[in-house]
Amino acid sequence: QVHLVQSGAEVKKPGASVKVSCKASGYSFTTHGIAWVRQAPGQGLEWMGWISGYNSNRKYGKKFQGRVTMTTDTPTSTAYLELRSLRSDDTAVYYCAREDCSRTSCSWFDPWGQGTLVIVSS
Amino acid sequence: QSVLTQPASVSGSPGQSITISCNGTSSDVGAYDFVSWYQHHPGKAPKLMIFDVNNRPSGVSNRFSGSKSYNSASLTISGLQAEDEADYYCTSYTGSDILYVFGTGTKVTVL
Repeated sequence: QVHLVQSGAEVKKPGASVKVSCKASGYSFTTHGIAWVRQAPGQGLEWMGWISGYNSNRKYGKKFQGRVTMTTDTPTSTAYLELRSLRSDDTAVYYCAREDCSRTSCSWFDPWGQGTLVIVSS
Repeated sequence: QSVLTQPASVSGSPGQSITISCNGTSSDVGAYDFVSWYQHHPGKAPKLMIFDVNNRPSGVSNRFSGSKSYNSASLTISGLQAEDEADYYCTSYTGSDILYVFGTGTKVTVL
């Protein structure tokens, strides 16, 4: 069974960085990409970006370019999200999700990790 | 970055059918048959309900169905049940550097 397990909650001060991990199991890590999505309190889901599990090709949302880095570690089947220069409005639950595929395309997300709460507060 | 537009809320009585719209553009929803829908209960991980416009993953009730017309997609829930009360989000592939865009989300209330 496919599972994504994320690291635990973090509390950071403004200006700091946070690194969230997402450990995959139950499938071949290199055959699927990983997406990162966040949800701020009272807000909807927000696309942050995607990283290939095969060659680490990355696509970042415009809002996060310059502040975010997504990486993977194939031997441990783990994806990482690092967000720098944290602000109070970065307080959110951060989710990883596996990009799933049919025979012809990869275009949806299943499953999702349990979420990681990041609180940014002085 | 752009988002897909959904109604903020939709409600219905048990047993009724409801439809949630997801309005995009000719660059996302209208360009690709890669629309997916997610159910999100607060505090839990989002759950895939529909992929590639109208495909249901195994284990998802056949009360959930999806469709698309031009730049707009829809999720229909028939035979509404109390457990369907949740937030629902659509997503579309965009083919651009952004890759995917999310909908604004719809809160479904079962009266």
